Order: sequence, then C-alpha cells, then structure tokens
Amino acid sequence: DAGVTQSPTHLIKTRGQQVTLRCSPKSGHDTVSWYQQALGQGPQFIFQYYEEEERQRGNFPDRFSGHQFPNYSSELNVNALLLGDSALYLCASSFYVGTANSPLHFGNGTRLTVT
Amino acid sequence: QKEVEQNSGPLSVPEGAIASLNCTYSDRVSQSFFWYRQYSGKSPELIMSIYSNGDKEDGRFTAQLNKASQYVSLLIRDSQPSDSATYLCAVPLSNFGNEKLTFGTGTRLTIIP
Repeated sequence: DAGVTQSPTHLIKTRGQQVTLRCSPKSGHDTVSWYQQALGQGPQFIFQYYEEEERQRGNFPDRFSGHQFPNYSSELNVNALLLGDSALYLCASSFYVGTANSPLHFGNGTRLTVT
Repeated sequence: QKEVEQNSGPLSVPEGAIASLNCTYSDRVSQSFFWYRQYSGKSPELIMSIYSNGDKEDGRFTAQLNKASQYVSLLIRDSQPSDSATYLCAVPLSNFGNEKLTFGTGTRLTIIP
C-alpha cells in the first residue's frame, strides 16, 4: 500500500520563476494538505483541498495556489518565486471521519531551492 | 505568545533513560493533540495522538495531556539511539477537526549511547 508520494524530490529555481509540485495521497485518503517547512522550523500550513476545493488557507500570499484532481491527487503552484520560498514542501493526506479528519500522514517532501 | 511552544533543545539523554518532551498551546478549545517524529532530512512521522486528559501509552511512548493547563508531553522510556530525532508537537487550532495543524518548532533529542 503506497503512502503519500511527492514529486520531484528536489528542485532548483531562479527568483521570479514559477514552480509546480505534485502529490498523490495515501490510498483511501481524500484530503490533501500542503505545508512549508523552513530550516529549523516546524511545518507551516499553506492550504487544504477536499472535494477539489480549497477548504482552509494559512497565512500565505496569493502567489501560492493549488488544485485537487478527481483522483484526489494535488498540485501546489508558486508564482514569482522569492529567495524566502526556499524550503521543504510537505504534502499530507487524510480522510474524513464523521466531521473531522483522520491524523495526517506526510509524504517525503520536495526540497525547493530558489537562487 | 506563540500558538504552540516547545523547548527547541537540544535535549541529551543517556541510552536507557526516560526522555521527557514538553509542549504548551494557546487555544483552549483544541481537542486533539499529536506528536510527530522527524529524522534529519526526512518528513514528519506520526507517533502519538491524544484526545482526552490523562495518559496514553503505546509501547515505549506515553503521551500526557492536561487541558486545564494547556499542556501536553511525550515520555520515551528506555531511550534508544534510534530515538534521536526532532519531535514536533502539533495542535489543530481551528474548529474543523484536524485540519490546519499548527506545529511547534520542535525539540531536538539526542540519545547518548
């Protein structure tokens, strides 16, 4: 049973460019959340997708956008990259149990470096 | 006050001893609490969840929750070198279940052989 898979594992981009990161949730999971983890910090919530819609969003600018597909996979897009966007981007999946999500399971992340 | 606070460490514990990790949170209505372990360069891995006041034991791990004091802790008994990692406390600071987890900065634990 595959867990959460993310691609690519590493990425190097230049300031001002755009990037797309991809995530496939764990089998049986229908909800995808994205987190940004800067070096030495805990993950910070970007947004969450359920039923192909953004359900909640953290304190990130509109340069960060996403999408969820009918097969529950998801993309994170970041436009106009800044040096400060360099971080580990984590995708986490879960499923709804009644009115709440199951605990999150994280993928291995994408390490983005902006030069 | 930060929403979720942890001592960043590093915390050094001899092999075989008990490691004690602490976390405080600001939102009184939080109902669920999670501990994640993160090895260097890897993603966070869920090791414990706790929802009710008191203790919850799973193998060598015990989570303790005190909602009145807004405090949650993780005890690791018989510490092993493989327990050396950063431990992240996570709390959903919203009214929508476990969405939007807020993480502490993590406590770096080193087990000394």
